[in-house]
Amino acid sequence: DAGVIQSPRHEVTEMGQEVTLRCKPISGHDYLFWYRQTMMRGLELLIYFNNNVPIDDSGMPEDRFSAKMPNASFSTLKIQPSEPRDSAVYFCASSGGLAHYNEQFFGPGTRLTVL
Amino acid sequence: GQQLNQSPQSMFIQEGEDVSMNCTSSSIFNTWLWYKQDPGEGPVLLIALYKAGELTSNGRLTAQFGITRKDSFLNISASIPSDVGIYFCAGPRANAGGTSYGKLTFGQGTILTVHP
Repeated sequence: DAGVIQSPRHEVTEMGQEVTLRCKPISGHDYLFWYRQTMMRGLELLIYFNNNVPIDDSGMPEDRFSAKMPNASFSTLKIQPSEPRDSAVYFCASSGGLAHYNEQFFGPGTRLTVL
Repeated sequence: GQQLNQSPQSMFIQEGEDVSMNCTSSSIFNTWLWYKQDPGEGPVLLIALYKAGELTSNGRLTAQFGITRKDSFLNISASIPSDVGIYFCAGPRANAGGTSYGKLTFGQGTILTVHP
């Protein structure tokens, strides 16, 4: 079975540009999570969805960040406008289905560099 | 709070040695998860523990759910070079009502280096 798929794997952009990160969760999972990882702050939960509905977005840094999940197999995380401090690795994870909802499976991540 | 503290922060060992690391919290957790992250990849779930005192193995890895429910341990036996990576413990956060809905708190990680 395919794991969590993220695209792009790497993104380099200039400050002020819009960035869109994409995620396809594992089929059958009903929870989807967006994380950000930096050396300074480790893994931070940004937002998570259950059955395509945003449940908790308290980790979203500011209004420049938004996330959507239009259907069970696709989610996006958008940053507009991007800033250099947004440079990090962004992970998508999913859980649920036949497995325990706490057992999150991570994608390979998108390494974002904002110049 | 619900912070998870991992120790040691880093380990440098020789191939073939056994490894022990632990994770502690001031709060009770009902589930403990151990993940490994290879460079340039996402964390991979190694072991999940759901019962105090539970001891679970996955190949050369063994993890234990502490009986106080405030700690967990991960052991790796006969380490090999591919064990290199960052090991994270994680547990579900509890909301004000005492339940959790899949949100995980992660430790800061233990960096493992294995010398051939």
